[in-house]
Amino acid sequence: GENVEQHPSTLSVQEGDSAVIKCTYSDSASNYFPWYKQELGKRPQLIIDIRSNVGEKKDQRIAVTLNKTAKHFSLHITETQPEDSAVYFCAASYTGTASKLTFGTGTRLQVTL
Amino acid sequence: DGGITQSPKYLFRKEGQNVTLSCEQNLNHDAMYWYRQDPGQGLRLIYYSQIVNDFQKGDIAEGYSVSREKKESFPLTVTSAQKNPTAFYLCASSAVTEAFFGQGTRLTVV
Repeated sequence: GENVEQHPSTLSVQEGDSAVIKCTYSDSASNYFPWYKQELGKRPQLIIDIRSNVGEKKDQRIAVTLNKTAKHFSLHITETQPEDSAVYFCAASYTGTASKLTFGTGTRLQVTL
Repeated sequence: DGGITQSPKYLFRKEGQNVTLSCEQNLNHDAMYWYRQDPGQGLRLIYYSQIVNDFQKGDIAEGYSVSREKKESFPLTVTSAQKNPTAFYLCASSAVTEAFFGQGTRLTVV
C-alpha cells in the first residue's frame, strides 16, 4: 500500500517568513495530492491540492509543487501570518480523487510574532 | 446547512466496554471513512465504505467494527478487543475533489 512520509514534524517561523513542508510517497500510481490544515480543536480542512499532470499550483500565499520522478511534493507558505499556525497534513491517493487518501504524519507550524 | 456531524464530542469508556461513535452526513456522499488521530502519527484509516451495505478494512481495523445501513450514517464501534482505544476519532465523507471531516470524538478509557 501507499506510504506517505512528511517532514518536518514541527516548524517554527517568524511572521512574514516563508514555510516549506515536504512529503514523499511510495506508490508511483498515486495521482492526487491534497493538503489539509487542522487548527487547534477544529476539523481538518482542504487548503490546496494538485494532480499528477501538474507540476505546480498556487493560491494566494500558498503553493504546492510536485516532482513525480522523485515522488515528492511540497507545500510553500509565503508571508506567514499568526493565523497560519496549525497542523498541516499532506495526503496521496491513486484514485485521482479525494477517496482512499493516505495521510502523512502532520507538521505543526508555529508562526511567531 | 450541509455537513458531517459526529457525536458525542467527548466519550469515556470503562475497560471491557464496547462504545459506538456516531457519524452522520447530509452531503449525499457515497464514500465515508473513519480515521484515528494520535499525536505524531497523523491520520490512520480504520474503515471505509464506498457504498451502502459495503465496507472495507483500513490499516488499523483490529478491535473496531462498522456498519453502513444508510447512506447518511457510518457508526464506528470500538470493541473491548481494541487494546489502546484512547484517541481522537475523525469521520469523513468524500466528494471527487475534497474529503470533509467531522469535528471528531475524543475517546478516553477510564
